[in-house]
Amino acid sequence: ELKVEQNPLFLSMQEGKNYTIYCNYSTTSDRLYWYRQDPGKSLESLFVLLSNGAVKQEGRLMASLDTKARLSTLHITAAVHDLSATYFCAVSVLNTGGFKTIFGAGTRLFVKA
Amino acid sequence: GAGVSQSPSNKVTEKGKDVELRCDPISGHTALYWYRQSLGQGLEFLIYFQGNSAPDKSGLPSDRFSAERTGGSVSTLTIQRTQQEDSAVYLCASSFRQGQETQYFGPGTRLLVL
Repeated sequence: ELKVEQNPLFLSMQEGKNYTIYCNYSTTSDRLYWYRQDPGKSLESLFVLLSNGAVKQEGRLMASLDTKARLSTLHITAAVHDLSATYFCAVSVLNTGGFKTIFGAGTRLFVKA
Repeated sequence: GAGVSQSPSNKVTEKGKDVELRCDPISGHTALYWYRQSLGQGLEFLIYFQGNSAPDKSGLPSDRFSAERTGGSVSTLTIQRTQQEDSAVYLCASSFRQGQETQYFGPGTRLLVL
């Protein structure tokens, strides 16, 4: 059974600090997604990582993928309050019924001013 | 352009009643997905459609849940004889095709079963 685990599940950090969120998954996949969800809102796509060693950056967020280690990281640089949200990673795998996307439990990030 | 829309945005119902949740995907998207998100939790995959077909129904929690899609567009998720544990946000997403593509999410339907 495919499992996607994120840690930490909750992160409180000061503005200006750096931190990394980790996403581990249990089976082979060469595509990993990061989404952001603001309170009471739906999910917004941040990154799609397509291959081993892929790195993508948008503003203060940088995501990377290591398919051999089955690990993705979302690095936050010099955090600002506007980054407060829940961040989900998700992995697509091929099963008998087609591709299935499994989400991690989410990391709830709170950036204190 | 228009994103994924869902209706109703909020639904309060009594235990034992049936509810229908609607999803309008982005025009041209052939794949459509339903997820459930309980308060403070992650996303639970329910079902997806490629066109009008649902190859994988294994995520539906019980036989009280069913979904259909007509014309390769609008989808309806029906919950019969609702129970309090069905209370959650039901999210719909669509993508250009099924597989390893970014999914675009709707705003969700917040269902409360009293």
